[in-house]
Amino acid sequence: DAGVIQSPRHEVTEMGQEVTLRCKPISGHDYLFWYRQTMMRGLELLIYFNNNVPIDDSGMPEDRFSAKMPNASFSTLKIQPSEPRDSAVYFCASSPSGRGGAGYTFGSGTRLTVV
Amino acid sequence: GNSVTQMEGPVTLSEEAFLTINCTYTATGYPSLFWYVQYPGEGLQLLLKATKADDKGSNKGFEATYRKETTSFHLEKGSVQVSDSAVYFCALSNAGGTSYGKLTFGQGTILTVHP
Repeated sequence: DAGVIQSPRHEVTEMGQEVTLRCKPISGHDYLFWYRQTMMRGLELLIYFNNNVPIDDSGMPEDRFSAKMPNASFSTLKIQPSEPRDSAVYFCASSPSGRGGAGYTFGSGTRLTVV
Repeated sequence: GNSVTQMEGPVTLSEEAFLTINCTYTATGYPSLFWYVQYPGEGLQLLLKATKADDKGSNKGFEATYRKETTSFHLEKGSVQVSDSAVYFCALSNAGGTSYGKLTFGQGTILTVHP
């Protein structure tokens, strides 16, 4: 099992550009979570999906952020247009069930820098 | 709503010292409690968990006991090693309601262990 795969590992982009982060969850996991980590705000849940359907997007900071899960093996988080304050590490995690966090497996993250 | 409060860091110890990282929580019902560890440049990994009052989670020499009366889940290790240097996150998950399936994290505590 390759675990949760995120790409790219690092992304540097200019303000105003579109950024797309990608995630491949563990096969058979039916929950997928997107988190953002910064020194100032710690770990923040942005959105999560169950069986490819968005369940709670209340953590998405604003309309510039959007997330999709077109199938069980792929999800994207898009920022358009990007701003310097979006610089953070973005983590994807998947879980075989929503009951508790024991099944959460995190990816290695995408470090985004917006200049 | 749910919340998790960890002791402020960073924590700096010498090798073989005793470690305590405090964690208290606020939640409705009967949450499950977790400690996650994040090594530099990596995603979060589950360290240990407890699902009901008085349960003790343990792994790699770390322990934490679910204390419902004090709403706490303090992390302890009797003798830390340099390789334990990481960021430690306390987290909780409710089994039902609108928080179903979601982990709520504390702000993280940076631990540095010197030889």
